[in-house]
Amino acid sequence: EVQLVESGGGLVQPGGSLRLSCAASGFTFSNYIMNWVRQAPGKGLEWVSYISQSGKTTYYADSVKGRFTISRDSAKNSLFLQMHSLRAEDTAVYYCAASFDFWGQGTPVTVSS
Amino acid sequence: EVVLTQSPLSLPVTLGQPASISCRSSQSLVYSDGKTYLNWFQQRPGQSPRRLIYWVSSRDSGVPDRFSGSGSGTDFTLKISRVEAEDVGVYYCMQGAHWPPWTFGQGTKVEIK
Repeated sequence: EVQLVESGGGLVQPGGSLRLSCAASGFTFSNYIMNWVRQAPGKGLEWVSYISQSGKTTYYADSVKGRFTISRDSAKNSLFLQMHSLRAEDTAVYYCAASFDFWGQGTPVTVSS
Repeated sequence: EVVLTQSPLSLPVTLGQPASISCRSSQSLVYSDGKTYLNWFQQRPGQSPRRLIYWVSSRDSGVPDRFSGSGSGTDFTLKISRVEAEDVGVYYCMQGAHWPPWTFGQGTKVEIK
């Protein structure tokens, strides 16, 4: 069974940092590009970041460029999103997605003082 | 950036009746490989998104055949032939032809009358 399980979300103050993780199982992780997609409360879906199968190519939405870093560890079947300089507008549920075929259940991030 | 415009944004439907959602793109979604990269996702209340349709009209595994996708170029449609109670939720189109960024439509909320 394909599973993507996100963790690491929580409450953080503006300007703070968080590291999200996504544990993958049930499929060949190294064969898939991976993405982070977020959803602000009551809003639609917003693509955040992409990483290639090798990890050598990454892309970011303009809204997070320079503040977020995506990475992966294929030996551990894991995806990460390091988030710095967090803002109130980063408040959202963050989903990891294998290509866009499979999605995790999401981890909530709240940026508030 | 490709802009996807969905209509309607709210769709009250009667159980057993058909439903149709439109997605219009600001650019053609035909990629250099000749395929058209337009996906449809379903997000049931309290759940993560699930892909229903890829390449305009290909159904994902396990998706009921009452869901169908059609269209070409810049105009696309998701149809539900006979709406069931479990179809309640928000439906998003997403393009993967011009990236980054990958972009989503605003979402269409399907509810039962």
